[in-house]
Amino acid sequence: KQEVTQIPAALSVPEGENLVLNCSFTDSAIYNLQWFRQDPGKGLTSLLLIQSSQREQTSGRLNASLDKSSGRSTLYIAASQPGDSATYLCAVIIGNEKLTFGTGTRLTIIP
Amino acid sequence: DTGVSQDPRHKITKRGQNVTFRCDPISEHNRLYWYRQTLGQGPEFLTYFQNEAQLEKSRLLSDRFSAERPKGSFSTLEIQRTEQGDSAMYLCASSSNMALGAFFGQGTRLTVV
Repeated sequence: KQEVTQIPAALSVPEGENLVLNCSFTDSAIYNLQWFRQDPGKGLTSLLLIQSSQREQTSGRLNASLDKSSGRSTLYIAASQPGDSATYLCAVIIGNEKLTFGTGTRLTIIP
Repeated sequence: DTGVSQDPRHKITKRGQNVTFRCDPISEHNRLYWYRQTLGQGPEFLTYFQNEAQLEKSRLLSDRFSAERPKGSFSTLEIQRTEQGDSAMYLCASSSNMALGAFFGQGTRLTVV
């Protein structure tokens, strides 16, 4: 059974700092991996999708990397802003079917 | 807005009542997923459809839960005889191809009192 872990569960950093969020998964036979953002009481907003054959994807200040062999992905946020405060979830997609989620990292950017 | 739409956004119900939620996927997305999320946890898979066919159901989906997608477009999730443990955010997602990922709606927050 695929298990997805995100550490730390919560993170607070001063505005302007660069930061890295971590995601690990137990079964490397993933189809792809997707990072989401969730604001309190809201749904999920897709940030980045990395295909299993890719090593990284970039969108603006966000960069996600994938190392299938070690079962890890990271989400790098450059020059953090208070608006980046949210919960960040990673999900692996198995067999072109469904997503399995981690428990998320709650990020707070301190102005 | 052509994103995934869920209705209602919030539902408060008394224990023992039945509730039904609706999800309208992105147009022409043939896959539709239901997830449940409790406070502080990641979303947990409940069930998914490809067109009108329900292809997989989680063991989380007790016999009080039923989902339909009658014409391969919108979907409904019904919970019968609600219990306080059913209180959660119910999320719907759709996809045309999981190589392109899934897209979520804003969710329906259920509170059972």
